[in-house]
Amino acid sequence: DVKVTQSSRYLVKRTGEKVFLECVQDMDHENMFWYRQDPGLGLRLIYFSYDVKMKEKGDIPEGYSVSREKKERFSLILESASTNQTSMYLCASSLRSAGHTNSPLHFGNGTRLTVT
Amino acid sequence: DAKTTQPNSMESNEEEPVHLPCNHSTISGTDYIHWYRQLPSQGPEYVIHGLTSNVNNRMASLAIAEDRKSSTLILHRATLRDAAVYYCILRDGPFGGYQKVTFGTGTKLQVIP
Repeated sequence: DVKVTQSSRYLVKRTGEKVFLECVQDMDHENMFWYRQDPGLGLRLIYFSYDVKMKEKGDIPEGYSVSREKKERFSLILESASTNQTSMYLCASSLRSAGHTNSPLHFGNGTRLTVT
Repeated sequence: DAKTTQPNSMESNEEEPVHLPCNHSTISGTDYIHWYRQLPSQGPEYVIHGLTSNVNNRMASLAIAEDRKSSTLILHRATLRDAAVYYCILRDGPFGGYQKVTFGTGTKLQVIP
């Protein structure tokens, strides 16, 4: 089974701190994604990467950056954490399928970040 | 991006079939219809996907309208473990691997014992 591991289940940080959320997948997937989930707003895409060192903005990239130095690891960085970034963060990975086959996304169990 | 519309919530009695609708009136010819579900305190998990024909797997069935502007996820016998948020999304076939994957707010399914 594909395993997507997020480094922390719960995280508490102070306003202004630099925060790193780490995600590792063990199935050699090309694509990796970062989402945040808030009540009433569903899942919103922050950034995604379709290959090492490649990154694309999602729907809400402001205040975030990402790093993909190795295929298995995708990091989400909050340069200066703010209270409005308190949220559940979910990482996912998938194969970058060609043609007419869509490989499903595999999600981690999330990191609940609280910024005080 | 083509978007999907789902009801915010639905209820079902345990052991009865559940039909979860999804509208996607602006779907393009190469878009696949995918369904995911998210159980409490977990990340979403893949359920099923299809293009034009109805699809079945061990988890559910997917019925796609002839004009492809709507689809229905069918759980044949709802159990308490099926209580979750169900997401319907679209992904481009040829280029989906290089494109963002957008979820909405989904449908929260409550199963009544």
